[in-house]
Amino acid sequence: DVKVTQSSRYLVKRTGEKVFLECVQDMDHENMFWYRQDPGLGLRLIYFSYDVKMKEKGDIPEGYSVSREKKERFSLILESASTNQTSMYLCASIPSGRPPREQFFGPGTRLTVL
Amino acid sequence: GQNIDQPTEMTATEGAIVQINCTYQTSGFNGLFWYQQHAGEAPTFLSYNVLDGLEEKGRFSSFLSRSKGYSYLLLKELQMKDSASYLCAVRDQRSNAGNMLTFGGGTRLMVKP
Repeated sequence: DVKVTQSSRYLVKRTGEKVFLECVQDMDHENMFWYRQDPGLGLRLIYFSYDVKMKEKGDIPEGYSVSREKKERFSLILESASTNQTSMYLCASIPSGRPPREQFFGPGTRLTVL
Repeated sequence: GQNIDQPTEMTATEGAIVQINCTYQTSGFNGLFWYQQHAGEAPTFLSYNVLDGLEEKGRFSSFLSRSKGYSYLLLKELQMKDSASYLCAVRDQRSNAGNMLTFGGGTRLMVKP
């Protein structure tokens, strides 16, 4: 069975802290994604990676960075957390190639920044 | 840019049929997905359309018209467990990776007895 896991379901941090959100997939997928989900705004893409050490900005990369040192792991980093980064963060992965496949999502991390 | 619209909320009765619409404007369209998301859980894949027409999968069907930039998800014989948010997402070609999805805001469906 396809498995995408995220390091925490709930996280509370203080403004200015450095925050790491970890995502691991066991399906040998090349592509991994980080989204945030806010009421009324849907899922918005922060960053994605299509290979180890490769990354591309999504629609809202400001205030975030990512790291992909190993194929199975994609980390989202908030260098200095702010209250407007309070959100649900979802990781997803998908293999390369055709036909296009659906994205498999992790359970999400609800981050609160105080 | 990308723009995807779907109703915010819908209510329907158990046993009935409901249609959730999605309109989109994107560049390099390469398929449309529907996902179901129960409260507090991750989205799960429901359907994928890349050609015009209807795709049926059990109680769920999805329709696509590329010329109109329009899709709908049809849910038949509604059950209480179908209460969830339904997300419309379009696959576009904004990067060489070719697997990026742009999501609509989601439609929260409430099924009542």
